Amino acid sequence: SAVISQKPSRDICQRGTSLTIQCQVDSQVTMMFWYRQQPGQSLTLIATANQGSEATYESGFVIDKFPISRPNLTFSTLTVSNMSPEDSSIYLCSVEAPSTSTDTQYFGPGTRLTVL
Amino acid sequence: AQSVSQHNHHVILSEAASLELGCNYSYGGTVNLFWYVQYPGQHLQLLLKYFSGDPLVKGIKGFEAEFIKSKFSFNLRKPSVQWSDTAEYFCAVNPPGTYKYIFGTGTRLKVLA
Repeated sequence: SAVISQKPSRDICQRGTSLTIQCQVDSQVTMMFWYRQQPGQSLTLIATANQGSEATYESGFVIDKFPISRPNLTFSTLTVSNMSPEDSSIYLCSVEAPSTSTDTQYFGPGTRLTVL
Repeated sequence: AQSVSQHNHHVILSEAASLELGCNYSYGGTVNLFWYVQYPGQHLQLLLKYFSGDPLVKGIKGFEAEFIKSKFSFNLRKPSVQWSDTAEYFCAVNPPGTYKYIFGTGTRLKVLA
């Protein structure tokens, strides 16, 4: 398994501003992922962040809105840019780590973002 | 499109009652299947997973799940719930060869003491 921490745990932001969320994992991992969980909805994958290459974004998510950095094998950041109230969500970082029989995704505690 | 359905959005049970949470997926190929749990104030934790072999999978805390390929289902069960099982439960599907996890909308379970 993997132990994942995220900063900040929660924030309240004004419309039009940007917030950078940090994700730190206790071991080196190749693949890191960023998810969004909007109120009352399921987890949705935003993008995959591999060290040494550009992030791969899912349909409906773009780099200008959600720039991602992956400077090394234990750290990543997600920025939510030019925020609007619709960006109010929980943002989760996850990593794929070896587990019994098959690789498994492990999740961080999430960052609860409220945009006013 | 690939999707995961959890039909029970909210479930309320008394302690010692039996639990079954439904999960159906639409992907037609061979998949890996997961149940995650999120206890109040805590982060998502892996409860159990299926990738191959025995379709009845046992996880932590007395939970089990059965993969029925013909029904595209992976239902979660526990014979006797406890108050501490109060949490939100998420089913997820991962097609082999891809990194993507497709999550259901979750089921909020409340166990009354």
